[in-house]
Amino acid sequence: EAGVAQSPRYKIIEKRQSVAFWCNPISGHATLYWYQQILGQGPKLLIQFQNNGVVDDSQLPKDRFSAERLKGVDSTLKIQPAKLEDSAVYLCASSFQGGLYGYTFGSGTRLTVV
Amino acid sequence: AQSVTQPDIHITVSEGASLELRCNYSYGATPYLFWYVQSPGQGLQLLLKYFSGDTLVQGIKGFEAEFKRSQSSFNLRKPSVHWSDAAEYFCAVGRGGGYQKVTFGTGTKLQVIP
Repeated sequence: EAGVAQSPRYKIIEKRQSVAFWCNPISGHATLYWYQQILGQGPKLLIQFQNNGVVDDSQLPKDRFSAERLKGVDSTLKIQPAKLEDSAVYLCASSFQGGLYGYTFGSGTRLTVV
Repeated sequence: AQSVTQPDIHITVSEGASLELRCNYSYGATPYLFWYVQSPGQGLQLLLKYFSGDTLVQGIKGFEAEFKRSQSSFNLRKPSVHWSDAAEYFCAVGRGGGYQKVTFGTGTKLQVIP
């Protein structure tokens, strides 16, 4: 089966600019996650979707981050405006029946804010 | 709240030697436990998972892990390490319920020397 697709792979922006990341999960996976992985740390959940509804966005900095999952398939994560501390790898993952069966991760988008 | 501790930030082993990566979790009920591996520039790949039953779990790439409730541990082992095992390893704990939440540890970076 095709994996989780993410784009772009790399992005460099200046602080206060905006950026968007795209994710296409595995076909049939109802649950989609966005994780932020800062260098030297484990992935931190930003937002979890079940189909096109938000299940958990408790750690999403909502003043600058937003995410949507239209039609329960693809998802976009946006940052506006970006801060230096947003430099990280943004990982998208999907699962068939929730994370307890294991995730399939994409390769991530490495964001550098200068 | 659930949490995971990986006490070793970096481990170096010789090729062919045995490996044990430590993981301790904190969770009030029976946890769901996972080990993921991340190669440079890649997303995370599921190595193995534990839900219930036999406390010794076999995974991919020759890895295994043992759940010890009395020690709140889920250590990852491999009897003979190959140079291709060099990567970062993440332990994760999940809780059950309607929409499962998985929390990752900070990772252990494995270096394999010839």
